[in-house]
Amino acid sequence: KAGVTQTPRYLIKTRGQQVTLSCSPISGHRSVSWYQQTPGQGLQFLFEYFSETQRNKGNFPGRFSGRQFSNSRSEMNVSTLELGDSALYLCASSLWSDSYNEQFFGPGTRLTVL
Amino acid sequence: AQSVTQLDSQVPVFEEAPVELRCNYSSSVSVYLFWYVQYPNQGLQLLLKYLSGSTLVKGINGFEAEFNKSQTSFHLRKPSVHISDTAEYFCAVRRNSGNTPLVFGKGTRLSVIA
Repeated sequence: KAGVTQTPRYLIKTRGQQVTLSCSPISGHRSVSWYQQTPGQGLQFLFEYFSETQRNKGNFPGRFSGRQFSNSRSEMNVSTLELGDSALYLCASSLWSDSYNEQFFGPGTRLTVL
Repeated sequence: AQSVTQLDSQVPVFEEAPVELRCNYSSSVSVYLFWYVQYPNQGLQLLLKYLSGSTLVKGINGFEAEFNKSQTSFHLRKPSVHISDTAEYFCAVRRNSGNTPLVFGKGTRLSVIA
């Protein structure tokens, strides 16, 4: 069974631009979560989608948004990029949204903002 | 709200020696507990999880962890480490009811020395 895939793997943008990251969950998984990983703040939860609905949202500004499609694929968008948005963005999928469900992580998208 | 403290940011250990990575959590409600490992340029992989039952949990790659409710700890142990265990290890908690996200500790970098 294929794992979680994220595209692109690496991205370089400049301040003020916007970016869209994509995540394809494991086949059959309906929940997708996004995390931001930085050396200073560690792993921080961005949002979770289940059946095309946002179920949870972390403490990030409105510049960060996401969506989920009917095939469970998800995208996240960051508008008006800032230097501090440079990070590894990780996507994780699980069968359901319940807390005991294991989350399977993708390899991440490394975003660099210049 | 839940929080996780990983007491050591870096742990160097010689090959074939035992290792313990410490994790303490804070929560006013019951939680599930997880340990993840992250190898360079990769996403997170679940090592083990505690949902209920026996407080000693065995995971992959020879790792185990013990849930101690009175001390709110979930330390990770391995009796004999290999060079291939060099990685970043993350402890995480999740409320065991409702739908809440994973909360991660800052991580512990394990370096195995030959």
